[in-house]
Amino acid sequence: SQQGEEDPQALSIQEGENATMNCSYKTSINNLQWYRQNSGRGLVHLILIRSNEREKHSGRLRVTLDTSKKSSSLLITASRAADTASYFCATDLNQAGTALIFGKGTTLSVSS
Amino acid sequence: GAVVSQHPSRVICKSGTSVKIECRSLDFQATTMFWYRQFPKKSLMLMATSNEGSKATYEQGVEKDKFLINHASLTLSTLTVTSAHPEDSSFYICSARDPRQPQTGELFFGEGSRLTVL
Repeated sequence: SQQGEEDPQALSIQEGENATMNCSYKTSINNLQWYRQNSGRGLVHLILIRSNEREKHSGRLRVTLDTSKKSSSLLITASRAADTASYFCATDLNQAGTALIFGKGTTLSVSS
Repeated sequence: GAVVSQHPSRVICKSGTSVKIECRSLDFQATTMFWYRQFPKKSLMLMATSNEGSKATYEQGVEKDKFLINHASLTLSTLTVTSAHPEDSSFYICSARDPRQPQTGELFFGEGSRLTVL
């Protein structure tokens, strides 16, 4: 079943601009993760934020989590053409050993 | 990070034939692997959880007899699409967690297998 809903579905920006993607989910979570997928490839883990955290940084990535609103955002600063990919949020429910439930994804296109 | 290898990356088959996709954890042992299916420009839909030495757990709506999953060893899970039809054409991706990193919750993904049924 689908858990997350990303917004926007597609985003086109110029190099150097910031890209913000949002994710909403439905049930309580243990943590929320963001993944990147290049076209036709597998997914790569970007960052994880736990339910008791509100913000996390990793390089040019900034993730926020609002459990009261059941939402998260991923900010990519100073975007590059190489950031062009699809980005998915995924929720890890409060059950050990279970799969992640993915949102619909945001397709980011960064033009030089 | 941990490495998950998936093979084949692309396969084209005739309608009615069966296709096997392999998923291997190369540098760790995985008692559990997850199989996802992805339609074009869509999200990943969890198909089933593959359990080493026991039956797979299928998600609601996934046909067990159509998508056979076998997890015979701690490093190999296979997905067999039986009697494939054009509607089975899709991108199939496997993933697993690395038990050496229990706190991260991160999933490591294979590169995916593009199945085209003619």
